[in-house]
Amino acid sequence: EIVLTQSPGTLSLSPGERAILSCRASQTVSSTYLAWFQQKPGQAPRLLIYAASSRATGIPDRFSGSGSGTDFTLTISRLEPEDFAVYYCQQYGSSPRTFGQGTKVEIK
Amino acid sequence: QVQLRESGPGLVKPSETLSLTCTVSGGSINGYHWSWIRQPPGKGLEWIAYISYSGSTNYNPSLQSRVTISVDTSKNQFSLRLNSVTAADTAVYYCARHERGSYFDYWGQGTLVTVSS
Repeated sequence: EIVLTQSPGTLSLSPGERAILSCRASQTVSSTYLAWFQQKPGQAPRLLIYAASSRATGIPDRFSGSGSGTDFTLTISRLEPEDFAVYYCQQYGSSPRTFGQGTKVEIK
Repeated sequence: QVQLRESGPGLVKPSETLSLTCTVSGGSINGYHWSWIRQPPGKGLEWIAYISYSGSTNYNPSLQSRVTISVDTSKNQFSLRLNSVTAADTAVYYCARHERGSYFDYWGQGTLVTVSS
């Protein structure tokens, strides 16, 4: 099973600042089959990024993903008030599909 | 627009069986894979299992001995059964869609299932 470790656990930032979230895999994620999700309280996760760097439909271009192999990054270039949430990485290249433990982006 | 909706009891007694159904609307169940994912209160996400429209299945080894997933294409539904539940199975259960070998693109809103006597 591929274990995904996200860091930091919590990121305290102000609107307008850049957020950089990390996701490290215990084994190579095949074919960059890595996704990023945003989750707000009481809501289902929302797909932001798939294939490590492709934005999902309707996702603003301030969200970008990068990385390959075992190291992946989600960058939010300028935080908007609606971006404060929990973010999860998830790999779908091997079974079982696994999620990271999440990074909470909170208002400083 | 594809929509998924989970349904089932919100309270299950310990040692009994949790049963949930996901109804797909706005699109066909055919051609896709369908997963169950859960999230204990205040915790992270755990993939449980998936089933294809044709009935092929894949289970998380951590739950495989207790889980059964099934599909009813005539009703555009798929279902989850988790037996011998304990308090550790208390969670919000989500259903989600994906293509074969691909990412979860549509999710249900989730349903909270509490295991308690």
